[in-house]
Amino acid sequence: IAGITQAPTSQILAAGRRMTLRCTQDMRHNAMYWYRQDLGLGLRLIHYSNTAGTTGKGEVPDGYSVSRANTDDFPLTLASAVPSQTSVYFCASSLDPSYNEQFFGPGTRLTVL
Amino acid sequence: AQRVTQPEKLLSVFKGAPVELKCNYSYSGSPELFWYVQYSRQRLQLLLRHISRESIKGFTADLNKGETSFHLKKPFAQEEDSAMYYCALSVSNAGNMLTFGGGTRLMVKP
Repeated sequence: IAGITQAPTSQILAAGRRMTLRCTQDMRHNAMYWYRQDLGLGLRLIHYSNTAGTTGKGEVPDGYSVSRANTDDFPLTLASAVPSQTSVYFCASSLDPSYNEQFFGPGTRLTVL
Repeated sequence: AQRVTQPEKLLSVFKGAPVELKCNYSYSGSPELFWYVQYSRQRLQLLLRHISRESIKGFTADLNKGETSFHLKKPFAQEEDSAMYYCALSVSNAGNMLTFGGGTRLMVKP
């Protein structure tokens, strides 16, 4: 693994189904983030984690949950997907919360029907 | 709450022409401003930040606190500059998390 990876690359999901988007980084970064990217709205922060074992809510957290059991992994779960969660999801990491350069994953394109 | 506005969704210029991507922000304190870029089929990446006061790939951006702007400029656009550009803001009382603008797609025509 080099940098930050996300899986799956894309997914089509039926409404009401549960889905977990995976994010893994090997840079030993303390802070990790999940964003959704929607046309005209830019990137909006869903949840973040400043260090392993802690998480926080971003701008649009409803319908999403995260966990940070270790430094490397930061999965994002949609407990019961709805069509409005159709988006491109980006995971990012930074060395620590006070270091502003964030490194982004390749994204996951999610379609909820 | 802080906000970042990029008024142009699409900016189209010819190669060699000057380009300016506009960014305005709302925040009463002293924010840190950034420009991120996403080239076709590549990841979003940091282009430059105002505290560095540097020029990257010929691009510069000056923070104007009076006008609350952080416009991105390049005197002579190149075709390889075609990409999606996002202005972003970070404030210390929000844990240094980034707030992004809606993005501007720059198309540089030959």
